Amino acid sequence: GAVVSQHPSWVICKSGTSVKIECRSLDFQATTMFWYRQFPKQSLMLMATSNEGSKATYEQGVEKDKFLINHASLTLSTLTVTSAHPEDSSFYICSAISTSGSYNEQFFGPGTRLTVL
Amino acid sequence: AQSVAQPEDQVNVAEGNPLTVKCTYSVSGNPYLFWYVQYPNRGLQFLLKYITGDNLVKGSYGFEAEFNKSQTSFHLKKPSALVSDSALYFCAVRDGVRGYNKLIFGAGTRLAVHP
Repeated sequence: GAVVSQHPSWVICKSGTSVKIECRSLDFQATTMFWYRQFPKQSLMLMATSNEGSKATYEQGVEKDKFLINHASLTLSTLTVTSAHPEDSSFYICSAISTSGSYNEQFFGPGTRLTVL
Repeated sequence: AQSVAQPEDQVNVAEGNPLTVKCTYSVSGNPYLFWYVQYPNRGLQFLLKYITGDNLVKGSYGFEAEFNKSQTSFHLKKPSALVSDSALYFCAVRDGVRGYNKLIFGAGTRLAVHP
């Protein structure tokens, strides 16, 4: 099946710094990628929809200036957490839609655990 | 409003016994339903989906799910549980209102299979 990778798999940073997380579709082109956040023992919450070549669409309550999303190519989307704070510590998961598959099925990356000290 | 409910936070099953993880949904239009599994510190792995056709859907690792339109349910089942099935399971439905490709996830059910 389609493979989605994320880098890094985990990151620890100091409060106030920025962190970039990459999401790549390895063997397919993805015009649309999604970014989710998952807190411990909770479900996935959609943060934003990333479309190649255009601005991301953010869900209500998600600060677009804090969570910068860039979808520069058909295989790469990046999420930058700017001026990170401890409350941003979470598990971030991306997914990508394979336009070649049926019903535009989402394929999920392995996730990135962010810890802000 | 479109939503997914997983009424059980945790399901405990003895190895070799059948398991059921419950899911009910509320959607406008035809439901597109999914089950995913998540192991610790990992992303979601696709198990199975219902789009149309037979109400009984067979998926990965011996799992299956039954779509019941009258009860608006899509329970996940497996005839004989394995210890390695212990994980977090999410039911999801496609959000046909906010975006055709967006998924709405249930809260998740932790499955614990005991030897």
